[in-house]
Parts: sequence; C-alpha cells; structure tokens
Amino acid sequence: DGGITQSPKYLFRKEGQNVTLSCEQNLNHDAMYWYRQDPGQGLRLIYYSQIVNDFQKGDIAEGYSVSREKKESFPLTVTSAQKNPTAFYLCASSNLAEMNTGELFFGEGSRLTVL
Amino acid sequence: QQQVKQSPQSLIVQKGGISIINCAYENTAFDYFPWYQQFPGKGPALLIAIRPDVSEKKEGRFTISFNKSAKQFSLHIMDSQPGDSATYFCAASRNNNDMRFGAGTRLTVKP
Repeated sequence: DGGITQSPKYLFRKEGQNVTLSCEQNLNHDAMYWYRQDPGQGLRLIYYSQIVNDFQKGDIAEGYSVSREKKESFPLTVTSAQKNPTAFYLCASSNLAEMNTGELFFGEGSRLTVL
Repeated sequence: QQQVKQSPQSLIVQKGGISIINCAYENTAFDYFPWYQQFPGKGPALLIAIRPDVSEKKEGRFTISFNKSAKQFSLHIMDSQPGDSATYFCAASRNNNDMRFGAGTRLTVKP
C-alpha cells in the first residue's frame, strides 16, 4: 500500500521544548512538503524539498527546521523559537514529473499541542 | 497575504440539494486550480481540478465552473449526500511549490 505515513498522530509538548514530527513516503516521489493547518486559515507552506539534501523555506518557516537525508523521509522539527506551535501539521509529496498538476498526496497529519 | 479567498466558511445543505463553494484568486499567473476534500482527522485528498483553458469540468456529481476574466472558480456538488460532509479547500497553483490554499469550507449535508 503506497502512501505517506506521519507520526505521531498526537503530540503534547511543554513550552521551550523542541519536537520532531516524522514523515515517510513510499510513493517514490521526489518532492516533499510540510504544511501547517489552523482553523479558518487553510494550509500554509512551511518547507519543501525537491531532492535529497536540499530544501527551501515556505511562507512560514520561522521556528521550524527540516532535513532530507533520504528520498523517502522528510522530518520536521518544531523548535522552541516557534511562537505559536499548536496546530495540525500535514506532510505531502508529489511527483516532480507532474509538478504542475496540483496533485499533492497528503499524510493523515500530526496534531501538536503545546501545554 | 491571502491570494485565494474562499466562501462560505461553513455550509449546511439538505440531502439531495446542491452545494456551492466559491473561490477568487488574485495572481493571473496561476494556471491550475484543484479542489481538495478533507475528512476529520485525515489529510486532504484531491477531488477535482481544472485548468483555465476550459470553463467547466465535471466528474460525477462534482463540477468546477471557472471564470477566467473574473478570476473566480466554484465547486458544485449535485445531489449532495451525508457522506460528502467534509471540509473543502480550493487552491491555485503555478507549480506545486507555489500552491495557495483557500481557508476552507466546512460542508454539512443533513439527512
């Protein structure tokens, strides 16, 4: 079964702590993305990566970091510098050969709550 | 800055009725307009998409209407069913790295 796996599904952290969200895909897609979803605001792009060992900032990258050491993995770290980290985080991937088709494949999301 | 404006925020429709969600965009460079459907606790999934060289695209009960001159597009769900209850996002893109999403519409279809 091909798809995107995000973990954990729910995560609680205390203020001042870093936390890493996992995203793994077995679709053999080159491009991977992290989005943040807040009520009434749609999806906003945090970071994206088109190839291994390369990634670019999206609209709201401040307070986040990523790595892309393997094609299938794109973890997101929410650092203590992120002022309002409580949100639903979505990982997505796409086939670079179909970059302009608009088809993103999403994982089921990780809900982060800062206590 | 919100480059894609979506309305309404929420919508309640009776079973069998027509659900209509509207979006407007600003950037004329956008050339791909997908709609995503999201069920609670799940990630969005592509529902239907259109390019600006056509004014309408229909897939089953779902239709996109596109007005290039007005920079507007809409999703129509015919014969709405309770299983259609979900959040719908419109989006506009020039490439996947520049995809802009609307704020979402929560659709409830009452039996």
